[in-house]
Amino acid sequence: AQKITQTQPGMFVQEKEAVTLDCTYDTSDQSYGLFWYKQPSSGEMIFLIYQGSYDEQNATEGRYSLNFQKARKSANLVISASQLGDSAMYFCAMRYINTGNQFYFGTGTSLTVIP
Amino acid sequence: DAGVTQSPTHLIKTRGQQVTLRCSPKSGHDTVSWYQQALGQGPQFIFQYYEEEERQRGNFPDRFSGHQFPNYSSELNVNALLLGDSALYLCASSSGTSYNEQFFGPGTRLTVL
Repeated sequence: AQKITQTQPGMFVQEKEAVTLDCTYDTSDQSYGLFWYKQPSSGEMIFLIYQGSYDEQNATEGRYSLNFQKARKSANLVISASQLGDSAMYFCAMRYINTGNQFYFGTGTSLTVIP
Repeated sequence: DAGVTQSPTHLIKTRGQQVTLRCSPKSGHDTVSWYQQALGQGPQFIFQYYEEEERQRGNFPDRFSGHQFPNYSSELNVNALLLGDSALYLCASSSGTSYNEQFFGPGTRLTVL
């Protein structure tokens, strides 16, 4: 069963504007972690941000913030002040804290920043 | 401080052949995970090695096997290659005490003809 759903195959955003990438997840576990990774065309997965299921505050890392709505099981990534270098694939991922170290990834969203 | 390194960068094989991919973890990391990323898809977990043993395995056939060495580096072996094995193979390393800090290598792109 699909555990992570990213419904936006492709997104476009104007440079310097903010953009939200959607992610929903499916789990009955109480302890889990949610992650966002960026994958440029070079292929390497770059860690962006992490949110624990028990964290009450939304995570922020520089221009990245995670809009965590636990009841809705959503973990959307917000990128503020988009830059041309933000153009890449973005993957949402989840890890179950208590049952293993396996990461489950979504199918990704391709973001293109327009000058 | 070197990050996760993988070799080779690209590889072309034919059906039925065998392949070995290599990964060196980030300094200080003792756990290595392998992922397969087909074109247009997210990475799929293959297995994870810790203390030279396979600790967890995803839904992959026995044709996929691995090994971890005392220096924590790891190999992924795939036997009897199929066309469907063509993918980007990613290695990720982490510390046994902090699995959330998982760093990925640049990947090996395998093409099976």
